[in-house]
Amino acid sequence: AQSVSQHNHHVILSEAASLELGCNYSYGGTVNLFWYVQYPGQHLQLLLKYFSGDPLVKGIKGFEAEFIKSKFSFNLRKPSVQWSDTAEYFCAVRGGGSYIPTFGRGTSLIVHP
Amino acid sequence: DGGITQSPKYLFRKEGQNVTLSCEQNLNHDAMYWYRQDPGQGLRLIYYSQIVNDFQKGDIAEGYSVSREKKESFPLTVTSAQKNPTAFYLCASKRGMNTEAFFGQGTRLTVV
Repeated sequence: AQSVSQHNHHVILSEAASLELGCNYSYGGTVNLFWYVQYPGQHLQLLLKYFSGDPLVKGIKGFEAEFIKSKFSFNLRKPSVQWSDTAEYFCAVRGGGSYIPTFGRGTSLIVHP
Repeated sequence: DGGITQSPKYLFRKEGQNVTLSCEQNLNHDAMYWYRQDPGQGLRLIYYSQIVNDFQKGDIAEGYSVSREKKESFPLTVTSAQKNPTAFYLCASKRGMNTEAFFGQGTRLTVV
């Protein structure tokens, strides 16, 4: 069965700190990879996605993620976080011939001003 | 504007009552999904539908039912058989396999 692991459940940072959130998935083959963000009281929004090509993907609001196939990973990064980045972040993976994206448990990020 | 509309945003029901959550999309997407979001557990798939008049159980389908009579609509019924129905419910849709899912605003259901 497909599974997606997000290792950091709660992250607390100060503004201007660097961020890296881990995401690993369990299956091989062709995959589509996603990071979604859910700001307080809002719906899930797509931050970035990887389908093919350059494994370093740039998303909105200064976020980026790197697909490392050998490590089955798709970690999310931001060099300098802002208070407005406080949100819940979800990694999702679609693969193995399935149409359905499987989500990780999410990481709650709190950024102190 | 195209998008996914879930209604209502907040819903209260008494224990033992069935309740139906609405999900409508005007994105012309074939696939629609229902997820349940609980703190610390991420999004878990309840039901999904790849095409009109067809749907499949997800990982946690017990106590739920759905229908897909129209491409635009995928209502979810939370039945009295669902043991722990209080949760945040998210509806999503997708155009095809190699695309991202779009989400509605969610419905927070509280059963008292």
